[in-house]
Amino acid sequence: NAGVMQNPRHLVRRRGQEARLRCSPMKGHSHVYWYRQLPEEGLKFMVYLQKENIIDESGMPKERFSAEFPKEGPSILRIQQVVRGDSAAYFCASSAVRGRGTNEQFFGPGTRLTVL
Amino acid sequence: GQQLNQSPQSMFIQEGEDVSMNCTSSSIFNTWLWYKQDPGEGPVLLIALYKAGELTSNGRLTAQFGITRKDSFLNISASIPSDVGIYFCAGQRYGGYQKVTFGTGTKLQVIP
Repeated sequence: NAGVMQNPRHLVRRRGQEARLRCSPMKGHSHVYWYRQLPEEGLKFMVYLQKENIIDESGMPKERFSAEFPKEGPSILRIQQVVRGDSAAYFCASSAVRGRGTNEQFFGPGTRLTVL
Repeated sequence: GQQLNQSPQSMFIQEGEDVSMNCTSSSIFNTWLWYKQDPGEGPVLLIALYKAGELTSNGRLTAQFGITRKDSFLNISASIPSDVGIYFCAGQRYGGYQKVTFGTGTKLQVIP
């Protein structure tokens, strides 16, 4: 029973390059969330997606960041033209559709992005 | 926006001691969640609370959903070295919409 999977675990990019982070939710989960965590800080909500829909992107920077969760395949968080300030750990979480456990989000191991 | 304040920010304890930490909010939440994060890993769900006044245990961990719905508490009894990590509370305001707000974290160090 695989948990939430994220890849890559570590990603190094130079300023101006694009970063693509992938997240496969737990089996049976159709809700995906992305969070950003800076060292020694808590998790900051970025975006909440269901299959083919963005439900809440209030935590996403207006420029350079985008997210998708296609009908088939993993959810993708894309950062274009990365800058040093984008260096952080990016976590994906997933949850189920209905029932008592719908509020319980399960996290992946994260992708640590380093921008040189 | 909603903010969750956790205290203490960090604590050092002797192995075998009990630990208490809490989380307070300026808003009411309908769900409280407690997570633990080990270095270099993602947060792991420890306990979920759904009802004001609810007290739930998971092994040596006990969490309570405050009666005002603006706070929650986590207790760890008889701490062991593997309890080291950062503990996050998280609150969810609306049952039908699953955005979760995370607290600032409590960093726990256990001295053997």
